[in-house]
Amino acid sequence: QKEVEQNSGPLSVPEGAIASLNCTYSDRGSQSFFWYRQYSGKSPELIMSIYSNGDKEDGRFTAQLNKASQYVSLLIRDSQPSDSATYLCAPRRTGTASKLTFGTGTRLQVTL
Amino acid sequence: GAGVSQSPSNKVTEKGKDVELRCDPISGHTALYWYRQSLGQGLEFLIYFQGNSAPDKSGLPSDRFSAERTGGSVSTLTIQRTQQEDSAVYLCASSLTAGVRGPDTQYFGPGTRLTVL
Repeated sequence: QKEVEQNSGPLSVPEGAIASLNCTYSDRGSQSFFWYRQYSGKSPELIMSIYSNGDKEDGRFTAQLNKASQYVSLLIRDSQPSDSATYLCAPRRTGTASKLTFGTGTRLQVTL
Repeated sequence: GAGVSQSPSNKVTEKGKDVELRCDPISGHTALYWYRQSLGQGLEFLIYFQGNSAPDKSGLPSDRFSAERTGGSVSTLTIQRTQQEDSAVYLCASSLTAGVRGPDTQYFGPGTRLTVL
């Protein structure tokens, strides 16, 4: 079993729709969860972090965490073509080395 | 302010040669990380430096890979006797702290694309 699993996609959604990106992880010691966006040929940039069970909203983005199910998701409301990118999920243990373990990412395509 | 910088942006080398990749973290950031990303793959952790502590080298794939961080700032990743499977984008990230007592944000540089012929 991979440490972090994401559907590679592409996930295609029409402009204005809600995009739902999912991630499962195997390390029950994971305490912090990060979503990075990576445009083609560019480096990753952090868009959301979540540490507690439940939802965290930031603008059009909502991160959802369920530690019991070892599941974290990212919702993008009112999807825009500029949201087309690969979204990387990265859980991390707190209290040990800060290295992130990344999933392979989900490629999102927002169509006009 | 200035972000994480890396050089060179592209490096083409022949199999068997040594290469050095450089990372200049954000000023004041004490933690520095190296990752690599192969085509179509996620990021793979290589090594992590935090202040004057011994680096976490647990992700280095072989003893051909080494890294140092001089003066708590600039870091160099060295790959000796390069192989074709070393071809990847090598990404450096830095964070203000290691986040041992809590979360911290890692900021990534633009990466170095290494091609081994």
